[in-house]
Amino acid sequence: NAGVTQTPKFRILKIGQSMTLQCAQDMNHNYMYWYRQDPGMGLKLIYYSVGAGITDKGEVPNGYNVSRSTTEDFPLRLELAAPSQTSVYFCASRREGQGNQPQHFGDGTRLSIL
Amino acid sequence: AQSVTQLGSHVSVSEGALVLLRCNYSSSVPPYLFWYVQYPNQGLQLLLKYTTGATLVKGINGFEAEFKKSETSFHLTKPSAHMSDAAEYFCAVIGGGSYIPTFGRGTSLIVHP
Repeated sequence: NAGVTQTPKFRILKIGQSMTLQCAQDMNHNYMYWYRQDPGMGLKLIYYSVGAGITDKGEVPNGYNVSRSTTEDFPLRLELAAPSQTSVYFCASRREGQGNQPQHFGDGTRLSIL
Repeated sequence: AQSVTQLGSHVSVSEGALVLLRCNYSSSVPPYLFWYVQYPNQGLQLLLKYTTGATLVKGINGFEAEFKKSETSFHLTKPSAHMSDAAEYFCAVIGGGSYIPTFGRGTSLIVHP
């Protein structure tokens, strides 16, 4: 069982470039999330989705876009990369329920903008 | 509205000593509470969770946590630390019916030989 798979694991971008971080889950979870993690700052929610075709902004959505065309995939798009977007990005999924279901996390994408 | 406070960004213990990581929460509805562990260069993994029922929850790797409603706390403990317990620990809360958990800032556990 693969769980949540994120690609790539590492990437270096130049300022102004664009890229898509991929996230796929094979658990048939409706809920999916994108977070960024900066040292000492915990996890900040970028976007989330409660099902295919439904997405919503989190705490720090500026500079990012998402789409959710299938239950399995939830890609995160960076347009015009900026140094402030240097971070570790985590995708997570969760089974639909009353909140008692835990999140399952991928191993992250480490992104540097130079 | 919900929030989580993890007291202490770093906790240092000796191998074999008691581990105590503190988590206090606020929630306007009965909460579900989680502890996650993050090892270097990995994602977060579920350590344990409280949903309903018994307030003392046992998790993996010998960790446990007690839900104390009167103190709005969910502290994580382990009787005897092992070197392999060195990691980042996150407490999270979600209110029933919410889509979005709220995470604490994390506590880095350092274990000395």
